[in-house]
Amino acid sequence: EPEVTQTPSHQVTQMGQEVILRCVPISNHLYFYWYRQILGQKVEFLVSFYNNEISEKSEIFDDQFSVERPDGSNFTLKIRSTKLEDSAMYFCASSDRSGTSYEQYFGPGTRLTVT
Amino acid sequence: DAKTTQPNSMESNEEEPVHLPCNHSTISGTDYIHWYRQLPSQGPEYVIHGLTSNVNNRMASLAIAEDRKSSTLILHRATLRDAAVYYCILRGAGGSEKLVFGKGMKLTVNP
Repeated sequence: EPEVTQTPSHQVTQMGQEVILRCVPISNHLYFYWYRQILGQKVEFLVSFYNNEISEKSEIFDDQFSVERPDGSNFTLKIRSTKLEDSAMYFCASSDRSGTSYEQYFGPGTRLTVT
Repeated sequence: DAKTTQPNSMESNEEEPVHLPCNHSTISGTDYIHWYRQLPSQGPEYVIHGLTSNVNNRMASLAIAEDRKSSTLILHRATLRDAAVYYCILRGAGGSEKLVFGKGMKLTVNP
């Protein structure tokens, strides 16, 4: 069964450093998302992406964050200058269609630890 | 998105059916009811969704009340692998693509 994959599984970085989290969505999917989950808290939406453009973003997704689909398979989340409060699990998701009657498929996540 | 209310936690026994309730009294006519679950240390996983009629798939069944103000996710035969946090989420037509996760309900399955 096709699945969303994410690399690395765990990333440790120092405050102020740039990190890139990588995702390979399901191959025929066109809609891509990033969510994050701080330890012990809810899963929070960050951004949605379609047709090489951000279609929606949350208040969390400020100028320090960016997303890119550099080729036909990868979808990346970049944090330019990490802060301690960026420590969280980051989940990538994809969907083959838009709309509220369609499901999103999530990857296993990348645990980001900022020291 | 309209709000849902779930118990904080439930326990069930392995190989027995389990009914996970969700209240959504402010649901609108075009809101879909989605269920996701999150196994320990994993990403959320889609389970099932519906609008008005009851739905079945290989993972579970979704029973929707006639007035749509509540729904029940039914796991017909719980296994240890079903131990997870279950999220009931409403998604409104014409609205945002994002999923809005609440605290969910933790299901413990006893062997």
